[in-house]
Amino acid sequence: DARVTQTPRHKVTEMGQEVTMRCQPILGHNTVFWYRQTMMQGLELLAYFRNRAPLDDSGMPKDRFSAEMPDATLATLKIQPSEPRDSAVYFCASGLVRVGEQFFGPGTRLTVL
Amino acid sequence: AQSVSQHNHHVILSEAASLELGCNYSYGGTVNLFWYVQYPGQHLQLLLKYFSGDPLVKGIKGFEAEFIKSKFSFNLRKPSVQWSDTAEYFCAVGDLSSNTGKLIFGQGTTLQVKP
Repeated sequence: DARVTQTPRHKVTEMGQEVTMRCQPILGHNTVFWYRQTMMQGLELLAYFRNRAPLDDSGMPKDRFSAEMPDATLATLKIQPSEPRDSAVYFCASGLVRVGEQFFGPGTRLTVL
Repeated sequence: AQSVSQHNHHVILSEAASLELGCNYSYGGTVNLFWYVQYPGQHLQLLLKYFSGDPLVKGIKGFEAEFIKSKFSFNLRKPSVQWSDTAEYFCAVGDLSSNTGKLIFGQGTTLQVKP
């Protein structure tokens, strides 16, 4: 049963620290998406990749967030430095361009103190 | 710009009541349509999807949705809800011509089913 995996599942850190979240997309999928979910803002698209190339990261605060896909089995989302307003659940999703259906990972719950 | 609108933000029903959640989208091209469900504390899971063919789509757990092209709508229905259906429901639209696989999500509808 193929599924998207994310690590860590929970992260508590202090303001100013670097946070790295990792995602393993489903093998064979050619799109990867990073979302952030909060009570106030709902579900927001931060960045996405097609065939490992970044297509759009306009949803991310550029000064502190970065997203990469060093290889087809790993996507990373990094926050440096982290701030309390970054506290949220971060979801990774993967899919196939021609289909559009996205499969979501379990999420990383980030708390920045 | 493309957008997806879900009419109800918060719905409260008693068990066995019928459910209909509205979803409208603004895009005239060829689209794929989805409903996702997010149970408390969990991630989004696919409930059902429409690509083409019969506009009445059946999904898991007794849910169905009807695509009405002329109304740009894809409403979700269930004849009799259960307490376990308490969750947040998201409608999403994919624009096939964009070649990105990107989905536009609605703002979500929180469904609370009272036992």
